[in-house]
Amino acid sequence: GNSVTQMEGPVTLSEEAFLTINCTYTATGYPSLFWYVQYPGEGLQLLLKATKADDKGSNKGFEATYRKETTSFHLEKGSVQVSDSAVYFCALLSGGYNKLIFGAGTRLAVHP
Amino acid sequence: EAQVTQNPRYLITVTGKKLTVTCSQNMNHEYMSWYRQDPGLGLRQIYYSMNVEVTDKGDVPEGYKVSRKEKRNFPLILESPSPNQTSLYFCASSFLVRGRRGDEQFFGPGTRLTVL
Repeated sequence: GNSVTQMEGPVTLSEEAFLTINCTYTATGYPSLFWYVQYPGEGLQLLLKATKADDKGSNKGFEATYRKETTSFHLEKGSVQVSDSAVYFCALLSGGYNKLIFGAGTRLAVHP
Repeated sequence: EAQVTQNPRYLITVTGKKLTVTCSQNMNHEYMSWYRQDPGLGLRQIYYSMNVEVTDKGDVPEGYKVSRKEKRNFPLILESPSPNQTSLYFCASSFLVRGRRGDEQFFGPGTRLTVL
């Protein structure tokens, strides 16, 4: 079946450090891939998405590239801020309708 | 403002006492869904609905019921809650267009439920 595997957290970084959160997936066909972010006490917000191989999603300085050959969708940011502290979820959407399959989530803590 | 609202945001209850968590969206979305979030497991889908009077089970439906009598509302019902249903619950909605992939799902703020 379809599944998403994320690197375990928490990830703790200093402000302005480089961020990578790994995400790999297993799916039949050609899924769409997403990163959602959950700030403390809030619901999930879509951060970025990619719908086909080699697409790069980007938003708020975050980027992720859909790599079909490695079945990966790693999240990166060149210089994190304290305000980026949150839980990040990788997810895929496969099939005809809107069911999202989520990874376990990775908590990011950024310190000044 | 486009949004998904859930009520209550926090609830502590006892085993066996029926409860309902409401979900409402103002974006005229066809698709609505309930997820539960548990540590180390991410979000798992409980039930979903593709339109009024059309509902179906997700991955973890046991112990839950839903209804979709109006397009904007999708309540989650726990007829006889048990401690293993202690969790953080999210409602989500989106448009549903056959053949169009990657539509954004909008999430509510979450309901933290504790069953004693």
